[in-house]
Amino acid sequence: GAVVSQHPSRVICKSGTSVKIECRSLDFQATTMFWYRQFPKQSLMLMATSNEGSKATYEQGVEKDKFLINHASLTLSTLTVTSAHPEDSSFYICSARDLFATSGGTYNEQFFGPGTRLTVL
Amino acid sequence: DAKTTQPPSMDCAEGRAANLPCNHSTISGNEYVYWYRQIHSQGPQYIIHGLKNNETNEMASLIITEDRKSSTLILPHATLRDTAVYYCIVRVMDSSYKLIFGSGTRLLVRP
Repeated sequence: GAVVSQHPSRVICKSGTSVKIECRSLDFQATTMFWYRQFPKQSLMLMATSNEGSKATYEQGVEKDKFLINHASLTLSTLTVTSAHPEDSSFYICSARDLFATSGGTYNEQFFGPGTRLTVL
Repeated sequence: DAKTTQPPSMDCAEGRAANLPCNHSTISGNEYVYWYRQIHSQGPQYIIHGLKNNETNEMASLIITEDRKSSTLILPHATLRDTAVYYCIVRVMDSSYKLIFGSGTRLLVRP
């Protein structure tokens, strides 16, 4: 259980185009999902928190008009990189928090997807 | 959230225990210690977490010092598949549920 999928796993696009990445919780409901970006040999950087039915909360320095996030259901969040440029090339990872998990205790409530590698030419 | 300090890299022999340290000297009383790992080009994988008691599961053991300023993740019998970057994260169990990743420790398990 507790599987998070991402689609596509890899995408190559031309500069100036927009790319949509999907994050799905397959066997649990998630009111909260997170989007991270990871450049080669660096750690994960939190970009934004996606809440079902409301606007995403972006971390400082992340352009909300550049990275559009939609969380329309309890199992799906999407990240759209608009007008992508080569510097947007990165590994994008999502995570999802189990709606019914209780924080603390011994149960882990947050699960990560396998990542999407974006290459902008 | 409190910051953590980890050695950038470590190595151990296959079959031996891997002990990964983490310093979190500014941890607050309501902050948990989480460990995740990331195998190359994959999403992070949860390993274990704890508040103040030592914890053990099928993957690893987590030893937290009595003052909670540091912890050690123990992989009791490391295998080649345990080669990964290990992240120690301290987080408050509040409504944000954020996980802020530091630089982690790159563990290399040698044959």
